[in-house]
Amino acid sequence: DAKTTQPTSMDCAEGRAANLPCNHSTISGNEYVYWYRQIHSQGPQYIIHGLKNNETNEMASLIITEDRKSSTLILPHATLRDTAVYYCIVQNPHYGGATNKLIFGTGTLLAVQP
Amino acid sequence: DTGVSQNPRHKITKRGQNVTFRCDPISEHNRLYWYRQTLGQGPEFLTYFQNEAQLEKSRLLSDRFSAERPKGSFSTLEIQRTEQGDSAMYLCASSLLTGASNTEAFFGQGTRLTVV
Repeated sequence: DAKTTQPTSMDCAEGRAANLPCNHSTISGNEYVYWYRQIHSQGPQYIIHGLKNNETNEMASLIITEDRKSSTLILPHATLRDTAVYYCIVQNPHYGGATNKLIFGTGTLLAVQP
Repeated sequence: DTGVSQNPRHKITKRGQNVTFRCDPISEHNRLYWYRQTLGQGPEFLTYFQNEAQLEKSRLLSDRFSAERPKGSFSTLEIQRTEQGDSAMYLCASSLLTGASNTEAFFGQGTRLTVV
């Protein structure tokens, strides 16, 4: 089972920031938070990941709470092309002996409205 | 295009037929994963390879399913005697394990299988 919980769906107005929450209250100390998204009929796409510090890249920002039990993915200026299912996943990438398979939940369907 | 490539993109087959899908990972990636996704659900792990070795198989991978990665490069997933319940999107992903650290996974566009 997925170790994260996310809202089923969210709406966001085009041009506004989209803030997608994720709860991961059972995250262990060596697990990172990963975000992927899946646009309709395509494969999942990596967005960003982090351990405990906030992270930013060209796609998004990731804010992780100090206790690491929850996080928020921020798309600063959502466009119609950002409409997708967003998955929050926890994983330890540094244990080379592990499968490092991704355990997906059902994610959040973000609908960006014009 | 140096991403993960899957072929075919779509496959319609009659129940009872065998089908084979191919995945070409990113060239330097030594790990290759297969996932299955049904409508409204997130992808579910099926199996993975490190180089040519198949190291883990999910309970979802019945004995009608077989996967290979003969030279540690491309991989094939074969389903024998297809059933309607096999209808799904089959996704391939690859990543690079260096030392004890694994990069993020890169996914292909998937193969959508419809069994009629």
